[in-house]
Amino acid sequence: DIQMTQSPSTLSAFVGDRVTITCRASQSISTWLAWYQQKPGKAPKLLIYKASNLESGVPSRFSGSGSGTEFTLTISSLQPDDFATYYCQQYSWYPWTFGQGSKVEIK
Amino acid sequence: EVQLVESGGGLVQPGGSLRLSCAASGFIFNNYWMTWVRQAPGKGLEWVANIRQDGGEIYYLDSVKGRFTVSRDNAKKSLYLQMNSLRVDDTAVFFCARIGLPSVHHDAFDIWGQGTMVTVSS
Repeated sequence: DIQMTQSPSTLSAFVGDRVTITCRASQSISTWLAWYQQKPGKAPKLLIYKASNLESGVPSRFSGSGSGTEFTLTISSLQPDDFATYYCQQYSWYPWTFGQGSKVEIK
Repeated sequence: EVQLVESGGGLVQPGGSLRLSCAASGFIFNNYWMTWVRQAPGKGLEWVANIRQDGGEIYYLDSVKGRFTVSRDNAKKSLYLQMNSLRVDDTAVFFCARIGLPSVHHDAFDIWGQGTMVTVSS
């Protein structure tokens, strides 16, 4: 199975900060990677698909990059609505797997 | 409005069974692969199963293979998850989600239901 490892697991930041979350795959997944945002008690929401494509309606401060085994999600200027947990997911090989999550907290 | 609504969760004893349903609306259901994803309390997301548009291709997480069965009824625009031999570690919120079209979302999960809670406990 492909292991997806996110770092950091928890991140404290101020509104307006630039935030970067890294996701590493245990083997190459090309660009078959998505990023989701989840708030407590809610369903996940798709932010980025195929590593770098912004989902319709998602603010342009979110961006994704990477290929192979290393990927990043960047929030260019953190907004109050962005405090949440973020998950990467590979859909290159079965079983499809998620990272353990990165929680972005208010500093 | 594009929407997925899960139902059927509840409390069940270890070894018991439960059938989850997911009702789709606002899109052409039989154009899409569908998926189930679960989340144990306080834990991360875990993919459970995928099913093709016609039900002819299905994939499962190893730990549920032989115990869970995913199916769909395109006429009723519904997705199902039959769960047998339930274990305490199956306790989770179960989400159904739409797998985006390969030409658009490249298989990412673009629409999610609100989830239904399954508690396995004696």
